[in-house]
Amino acid sequence: KAGVTQTPRYLIKTRGQQVTLSCSPISGHRSVSWYQQTPGQGLQFLFEYFSETQRNKGNFPGRFSGRQFSNSRSEMNVSTLELGDSALYLCASSLVMGGVFAEAFFGQGTRLTVV
Amino acid sequence: QKEVEQNSGPLSVPEGAIASLNCTYSDRVSQSFFWYRQYSGKSPELIMSIYSNGDKEDGRFTAQLNKASQYVSLLIRDSQPSDSATYLCAPQRGSQGNLIFGKGTKLSVKP
Repeated sequence: KAGVTQTPRYLIKTRGQQVTLSCSPISGHRSVSWYQQTPGQGLQFLFEYFSETQRNKGNFPGRFSGRQFSNSRSEMNVSTLELGDSALYLCASSLVMGGVFAEAFFGQGTRLTVV
Repeated sequence: QKEVEQNSGPLSVPEGAIASLNCTYSDRVSQSFFWYRQYSGKSPELIMSIYSNGDKEDGRFTAQLNKASQYVSLLIRDSQPSDSATYLCAPQRGSQGNLIFGKGTKLSVKP
């Protein structure tokens, strides 16, 4: 069974640019969550999508946005990149049964460097 | 109060010893509790999940949950150098897909 796939694995962007990251969940998983991980702040929740709807959002500025498609694949976008956006961006998918979310499994992550 | 608190470590134990990792959480509505292991430069890997008060054992790992005390722990028996990693505690509300993580405890197992 294929795991969570994130693309690209590495990315270097310049301040002010925008970036789009992609996440393909495990087959059958309809919930996708995004996290930012930095050495100082640890793993912080960005947003969560279920059935193409954003259900929860973390405390990040509006420059961070996302969406989910009908096949459960998800993308996140960061506009007007800042140096502080350099981080490992992780996507996790979960199976949902009877409205209850099961364990979350992570992709390999996208390492974003803003220069 | 932070939502999820863990000792940052580093926690150093000799090979073959028991490593004890602790976590407290503030959200009383949390129903599911997960432990993830993260090697340096890698993504988190789920190693244990626990949903009911008491102990749950899986191989060398034992998770313990006490909802009244809002406390969850992970014991690693017969620790191996390959267990050296950061261990992340993550409570979850059953109705929500997102996890709130602690900062993690860095474990070092010395040969």
